[in-house]
Amino acid sequence: DTAVSQTPKYLVTQMGNDKSIKCEQNLGHDTMYWYKQDSKKFLKIMFSYNNKELIINETVPNRFSPKSPDKAHLNLHINSLELGDSAVYFCASSYNSNQPQHFGDGTRLSIL
Amino acid sequence: AQKITQTQPGMFVQEKEAVTLDCTYDTSDPSYGLFWYKQPSSGEMIFLIYQGSYDQQNATEGRYSLNFQKARKSANLVISASQLGDSAMYFCAMRERASKIIFGSGTRLSIRP
Repeated sequence: DTAVSQTPKYLVTQMGNDKSIKCEQNLGHDTMYWYKQDSKKFLKIMFSYNNKELIINETVPNRFSPKSPDKAHLNLHINSLELGDSAVYFCASSYNSNQPQHFGDGTRLSIL
Repeated sequence: AQKITQTQPGMFVQEKEAVTLDCTYDTSDPSYGLFWYKQPSSGEMIFLIYQGSYDQQNATEGRYSLNFQKARKSANLVISASQLGDSAMYFCAMRERASKIIFGSGTRLSIRP
């Protein structure tokens, strides 16, 4: 009965590779988000989708491409991975922007 | 400019004492929301409490309360009767229009037995 689930939990890969992180929520929420948390624990929003439509894109390199096949899923694809992409990536969802966000457990991405 | 400021990078508190975690914010939008999240060492983000800018009363959730001072633009989190399990990172966040959520840099709270 996991509310927001993201896979994989850990991702270790070489620089230059392409990888995807999947996120699914079973809460019936309309809005989903991707966040990046760096090594200093600073949490920054990357993208926000509402009912499959992109509403926030926070100056993220275009190597990052979110895809929302339906409002319960928001996947993140990253091309040509760089060392600076190493971080924990969190997916989250909420009923709308006024409501609290429910977070997934995070995906720790490590670039070798 | 920083929109959410948490001035305490780390705090140590004795078990059972109350603790206040500071958060100040900056916005010109009359409609906004303020959130507090807890991140234990296991890494998950846990929602604690929410305060809307038009809410007349301070939000409370169990041992958590939000000391909302609108004129001072502060939204401090108060944890009463702290427990060892309260040791974690605590993030203050603000929602402005267009769904944008901004997080503060966090405060690492350590509870001493």
